[in-house]
Amino acid sequence: AQSVAQPEDQVNVAEGNPLTVKCTYSVSGNPYLFWYVQYPNRGLQFLLKYITGDNLVKGSYGFEAEFNKSQTSFHLKKPSALVSDSALYFCAVRDEYNNDMRFGAGTRLTVKP
Amino acid sequence: DSGVTQTPKHLITATGQRVTLRCSPRSGDLSVYWYQQSLDQGLQFLIQYYNGEERAKGNILERFSAQQFPDLHSELNLSSLELGDSALYFCASSVSGSQTGNTIYFGEGSWLTVV
Repeated sequence: AQSVAQPEDQVNVAEGNPLTVKCTYSVSGNPYLFWYVQYPNRGLQFLLKYITGDNLVKGSYGFEAEFNKSQTSFHLKKPSALVSDSALYFCAVRDEYNNDMRFGAGTRLTVKP
Repeated sequence: DSGVTQTPKHLITATGQRVTLRCSPRSGDLSVYWYQQSLDQGLQFLIQYYNGEERAKGNILERFSAQQFPDLHSELNLSSLELGDSALYFCASSVSGSQTGNTIYFGEGSWLTVV
């Protein structure tokens, strides 16, 4: 079955600095990768996804993610962090054989002024 | 607003009781998913329905059941509730149940507290 790992429970960055939230995955076939963000007491909001094509995917709120097949990674990045980016970020994966989406444990991003 | 509607938003009930959570998917979406989010187990996939039929099953307990109705809304039934069932239950929907590149969109969740 497909699975995803987020190796960092917490990431702290200063406002204006670049941020990276890490994600690695395991699938049987071709991966379909997603990033979601969750603000306190809210549902998960879709940020971006990789299906096929360009390894660099651009999404909402200035976020982007880089798909790396050899390293089975899909790290979320932003060139300049904002305090308002502070939230819980989830990486998720499907493969071509399974419909259900599996989520990582989440990474709490804190951006300090 | 994702377009996925969940009711109730909050629910407090006693151990041993039964509750029903309701979900209306986004307009045009045929597939509905249920997830449980708790502090100790993270976001767990429970079950998926597509156009009224069960499509995939995850870590759903036997005490829990779900269905999707002809109007495509879905209900998650939780019975013989235990303290450990306290969690945030999410419904999500997508256009298709077979195209794995489809994005799924989440509702705001139903907070269940079992006392």
